[in-house]
Amino acid sequence: GIQVEQSPPDLILQEGANSTLRCNFSDSVNNLQWFHQNPWGQLINLFYIPSGTKQNGRLSATTVATERYSLLYISSSQTTDSGVYFCAPEYSGAGSYQLTFGKGTKLSVIP
Amino acid sequence: NAGVTQTPKFQVLKTGQSMTLQCAQDMNHEYMSWYRQDPGMGLRLIHYSVGAGITDQGEVPNGYNVSRSTTEDFPLRLLSAAPSQTSVYFCASSYSGLSLTLHFGNGTRLTVT
Repeated sequence: GIQVEQSPPDLILQEGANSTLRCNFSDSVNNLQWFHQNPWGQLINLFYIPSGTKQNGRLSATTVATERYSLLYISSSQTTDSGVYFCAPEYSGAGSYQLTFGKGTKLSVIP
Repeated sequence: NAGVTQTPKFQVLKTGQSMTLQCAQDMNHEYMSWYRQDPGMGLRLIHYSVGAGITDQGEVPNGYNVSRSTTEDFPLRLLSAAPSQTSVYFCASSYSGLSLTLHFGNGTRLTVT
């Protein structure tokens, strides 16, 4: 199946700082989603981004499908951004209908 | 709308017991799935369904059964619980089509002693 690597595994930021999270995947994809898991364990869909760039407030995401990576940008970070960020590409070949999750980037934003 | 509802939120089982984790969605989504999340890991797909009467295995299906008799419900059954099944279980749903956009329930934390 598709391999997914996220970096960095852990990230500590001062409130107000910017950051970039990276997701590399090993094969062609139909779709890619970014999720935020908050400290209470809830998984929130941030972006559906098979290609191109999208922005939602202080967050934006870019996927370059031909080069098999996606980036999540967090600007002016806030303590509420803390949690784990997962990317999940959907393989476009046989065995689709399966999103494969990376192991996540754990973000801690300190005041 | 309630979205995706999972019950129970917490459960403790003894080895060998059976139980069913419930998942219901009210968004008329064709696609439903079960994931498990273990410490330090991402989410791993257990089983999924693309519509009523259709189910298929994911990455880690052993020890789990599913059925899909209605569009709304997708229960996950543990036939004989083992300590290795201690985990947090998430149900997710999506419209089917060219690609998936998953909506998750709040999870069920299961401990098997």
